[in-house]
Amino acid sequence: EVQILETGGGLVKPGGSLRLSCATSGFNFNDYFMNWVRQAPGKGLEWVAQIRNKNYNYATYYAESLEGRVTISRDDSKSSVYLQVSSLRAEDTAIYYCTRTTTFDYWGQGVMVTVSS
Amino acid sequence: DVLMTQTPVSLPVSLGGQVSISCRSSQSLVHSDGNTYLHWYLQKPGQSPQLLIYRVSNRFSGVPDRFSGSGSGTDFTLKISRVEPEDLGVYYCLQSTHFPLTFGSGTKLEIK
Repeated sequence: EVQILETGGGLVKPGGSLRLSCATSGFNFNDYFMNWVRQAPGKGLEWVAQIRNKNYNYATYYAESLEGRVTISRDDSKSSVYLQVSSLRAEDTAIYYCTRTTTFDYWGQGVMVTVSS
Repeated sequence: DVLMTQTPVSLPVSLGGQVSISCRSSQSLVHSDGNTYLHWYLQKPGQSPQLLIYRVSNRFSGVPDRFSGSGSGTDFTLKISRVEPEDLGVYYCLQSTHFPLTFGSGTKLEIK
């Protein structure tokens, strides 16, 4: 069974940083691209970042609205993907989801990030 | 960026009825590999989104055949027949052909 679990959310002050983690199991992580998607309270879904697998040289892609403030990375030995977000703003307040591959076929339950002083 | 225009915003439906949701893209979603990466999701209240249809018309594992997807190029449709209470929520389309990946703004399916 595919399982995806995000951790690392919480309350952060504006200007602060956060590292989200996404632990996976139930599939061969090395074979898959991984994504982060976020959803602000009461709003729609916004793609944040994608990291490809070793076959694609771990290429990374970012939403333009966040580029320069986010870094996606992965550790294939831990079947995990990470999202580092810096210079956090109030508008970064959202649930952050980790999803698998280009079809976003499996999603985690999400982790809440609140940016507030 | 590819703009995904999803309509309608809200869709009242009677249980047992049939509805269609439209998703139009600002440019063709045909990838250079020949595939069209247009997918549909349902987000039930308080839950994570779940994949319904991938690559235009392929039902994901466990998705009832009441759900069907069609379309090509820039114009895509999700049809739901014999609507059941478990179908209520917000539907989103996603294109993963072009970076940045973009979602439609969502369609809320609610009981009439």
